[in-house]
Amino acid sequence: AQSVSQHNHHVILSEAASLELGCNYSYGGTVNLFWYVQYPGQHLQLLLKYFSGDPLVKGIKGFEAEFIKSKFSFNLRKPSVQWSDTAEYFCAVGPFGNEKLTFGTGTRLTIIP
Amino acid sequence: NAGVTQTPKFQVLKTGQSMTLQCAQDMNHEYMSWYRQDPGMGLRLIHYSVGAGITDQGEVPNGYNVSRSTTEDFPLRLLSAAPSQTSVYFCASSSGTGYATEAFFGQGTRLTVV
Repeated sequence: AQSVSQHNHHVILSEAASLELGCNYSYGGTVNLFWYVQYPGQHLQLLLKYFSGDPLVKGIKGFEAEFIKSKFSFNLRKPSVQWSDTAEYFCAVGPFGNEKLTFGTGTRLTIIP
Repeated sequence: NAGVTQTPKFQVLKTGQSMTLQCAQDMNHEYMSWYRQDPGMGLRLIHYSVGAGITDQGEVPNGYNVSRSTTEDFPLRLLSAAPSQTSVYFCASSSGTGYATEAFFGQGTRLTVV
């Protein structure tokens, strides 16, 4: 069975600090990998996704993620965070059509102005 | 486009009551899913559908029923609500037409069972 681990439950950073959120997965088969963000009171929105090709993926709002197959990891990074990045971040894996995503437990990110 | 629309946004039920959470999408997506979100547990899949007339169970299906009579709608039924079903429920849809296709989520339904 597939699983996703996010080891950072709550991260607190000051504005302009660099961010890296960890994500490790276990999945039998072709992997689709995602990072979703949930701003306070809102629904989940896609930040970025990966299936194949360049293992360094760029998403919206300056976020990027690196797929490292040997480590089963898909860590999310941002060089300089802003107060508006305060949100909860979810890593997810899914099959071809994404009818059944498996999510990690989420990382709550708080940015201090 | 409205995207994925869920109703109601908030609901309070008494133990044993039944209700239906509505989900509709206007993107002609074949795949639709229901998740529940609980603190510290992320989102967990309840039921999903890969097309009209086809549904299957996810990770936590007990206490919930679904049906998919049309491409647009995917209602979630609670037959006899229990306090353990207090949660935030999200409906999602995706086209399923390619690798890493995006799943679009509704705004969520916050359900409290007392």
